[in-house]
Amino acid sequence: DAMVIQNPRYQVTQFGKPVTLSCSQTLNHNVMYWYQQKSSQAPKLLFHYYDKDFNNEADTPDNFQSRRPNTSFCFLDIRSPGLGDAAMYLCATSRERGGALNEQFFGPGTRLTVL
Amino acid sequence: GNSVTQMEGPVTLSEEAFLTINCTYTATGYPSLFWYVQYPGEGLQLLLKATKADDKGSNKGFEATYRKETTSFHLEKGSVQVSDSAVYFCALAESGGYNKLIFGAGTRLAVHP
Repeated sequence: DAMVIQNPRYQVTQFGKPVTLSCSQTLNHNVMYWYQQKSSQAPKLLFHYYDKDFNNEADTPDNFQSRRPNTSFCFLDIRSPGLGDAAMYLCATSRERGGALNEQFFGPGTRLTVL
Repeated sequence: GNSVTQMEGPVTLSEEAFLTINCTYTATGYPSLFWYVQYPGEGLQLLLKATKADDKGSNKGFEATYRKETTSFHLEKGSVQVSDSAVYFCALAESGGYNKLIFGAGTRLAVHP
């Protein structure tokens, strides 16, 4: 089945130690998104890629970076995780950004713990 | 700016009860509206959507109608099941631009036998 895959499902890192979360998709969608979801809160968009074009949300901290080496993969890099970065990180894809093709498909998420 | 407000949870119901989860929005233009569901330990799944005023989205017995006059998109189900226990998120996609999704805070639903 076509899907959005996130690895690992659970990630533990130490305060200040860089960490990378992975997302892959078999849907061949043009757009990939990264959301941060803290406990009992709504998902918050960090950034998205439209093909190779990176789009950062204005309030996303510089500590968060992303890479998309090809259509299928997208990575979230947290350069120096703080305790406040502990959250569920959700990857999503959509075929296009607008119109009727803007439905977003979500992966299962990676829960990040910062010690 | 654009925003979504949902009723606070948790909502606790007995099986076969009627469900309503209220959602109102603030937006410029004509957004698309969505309900997403998140089961424990999983990502979000699209439950239903509506793209213009008076549209009704429906799926798996759930329904919601896009009401522009009251800026609402309330989720309803006539008879809930234990398997409906999850967190439900109302969301809007801004018209124009790249249709960024803006979520409400989520409403946890617990259905007991």
